Amino acid sequence: NAGVMQNPRHLVRRRGQEARLRCSPMKGHSHVYWYRQLPEEGLKFMVYLQKENIIDESGMPKERFSAEFPKEGPSILRIQQVVRGDSAAYFCASSATGTANTGELFFGEGSRLTVL
Amino acid sequence: RKEVEQDPGPFNVPEGATVAFNCTYSNSASQSFFWYRQDCRKEPKLLMSVYSSGNEDGRFTAQLNRASQYISLLIRDSKLSDSATYLCVVNNYNQGGKLIFGQGTELSVKP
Repeated sequence: NAGVMQNPRHLVRRRGQEARLRCSPMKGHSHVYWYRQLPEEGLKFMVYLQKENIIDESGMPKERFSAEFPKEGPSILRIQQVVRGDSAAYFCASSATGTANTGELFFGEGSRLTVL
Repeated sequence: RKEVEQDPGPFNVPEGATVAFNCTYSNSASQSFFWYRQDCRKEPKLLMSVYSSGNEDGRFTAQLNRASQYISLLIRDSKLSDSATYLCVVNNYNQGGKLIFGQGTELSVKP
């Protein structure tokens, strides 16, 4: 039973390019969360999605960032026109019923974005 | 003020020592609490939930004080393999159920 799969694991982009990070939740999980971790900092919530719906995007920057979780396929976190400050580890997590029930999120290994 | 505050450490302790981590949270409406563990550059993993009555899992004991908005984690008989960053986590259902993570406390257990 595969865990949360994220790809790419490492991504290098130049300023102004686009970054697309993909996340396939654990089998049977329909709740997906994206978190960002800057160097030497904690995990910061970005967005919470269920299939085809954005439930909470209160942690998403207003510009350049978007997320989706289509009916078929992985969840995508898209960063347009990347800047150096976007360099971070982006973790995806999934749960079967949402954290209101158990508080357990299953995390992927993260995608590490480096912006040159 | 951060929603969840932790002393970042590092805590450097010898094997066999007992070490305690503290955490405070600012939202009095927070409803559930957890400790996660994160090894260097790896993904976080749930260590244990924290219940109002306190709970124990082997060498690990978690306590919650709702009046003081304070959470603790005690590790007894530290092992080298306990070296990691320990993340205090709070769940505010009225914020859509997302988990709010503290910055983490780094623990290094030395031989």
